[in-house]
Amino acid sequence: DMKVTQMPRYLIKRMGENVLLECGQDMSHETMYWYRQDPGLGLQLIYISYDVDSNSEGDIPKGYRVSRKKREHFSLILDSAKTNQTSVYFCASSWTGEQYFGPGTRLTVL
Amino acid sequence: GDQVEQSPSALSLHEGTGSALRCNFTTTMRAVQWFQQNSRGSLINLFYLASGTKENGRLKSTFNSKESYSTLHIRDAQLEDSGTYFCAAEVGGSNYKLTFGKGTLLTVTP
Repeated sequence: DMKVTQMPRYLIKRMGENVLLECGQDMSHETMYWYRQDPGLGLQLIYISYDVDSNSEGDIPKGYRVSRKKREHFSLILDSAKTNQTSVYFCASSWTGEQYFGPGTRLTVL
Repeated sequence: GDQVEQSPSALSLHEGTGSALRCNFTTTMRAVQWFQQNSRGSLINLFYLASGTKENGRLKSTFNSKESYSTLHIRDAQLEDSGTYFCAAEVGGSNYKLTFGKGTLLTVTP
């Protein structure tokens, strides 16, 4: 069964703190993604990774960076979190197009 | 403007009835995916289409790339079909990047 996991599921941080969101997949998919979802909007692409150490900016990369050192693992890092980064973050992976999503991480920045 | 225009934004159905959701695209799309976001916030894959029509139980989806639209038909709606439905499309040549519509909030009532 194809699976994308995300940790943690819920996170509360203070403004200025660093945040690390982790994503894993067990399907050996080359491509992985980070999105955020805000109320009333669809998902917006933050970063895309085509393989280990092969990352590209999505539509809203400002304030975020990513790390992919193993094919099955993709991290999203917020250096000095801001209150407007409060959102639900989704990770996804794909092989040739169809994307599979994790359960999401609800991040609150106070 | 938005590349993926989804309609309607909200829809209410009685159990046992059906309707269609639609996405119009303002540029050539290579493929489309449909998701249901349930009450827990999870994104459930419904369909992935590069062309034509697919059917799964009470759901049927069509993607017409030449006329730049996709539809999701729901028949015999059940209470568990309630949720937000998103279409997401991959722009040709975008290297597997999905652009999401803003979603249709479906409420099924007894």
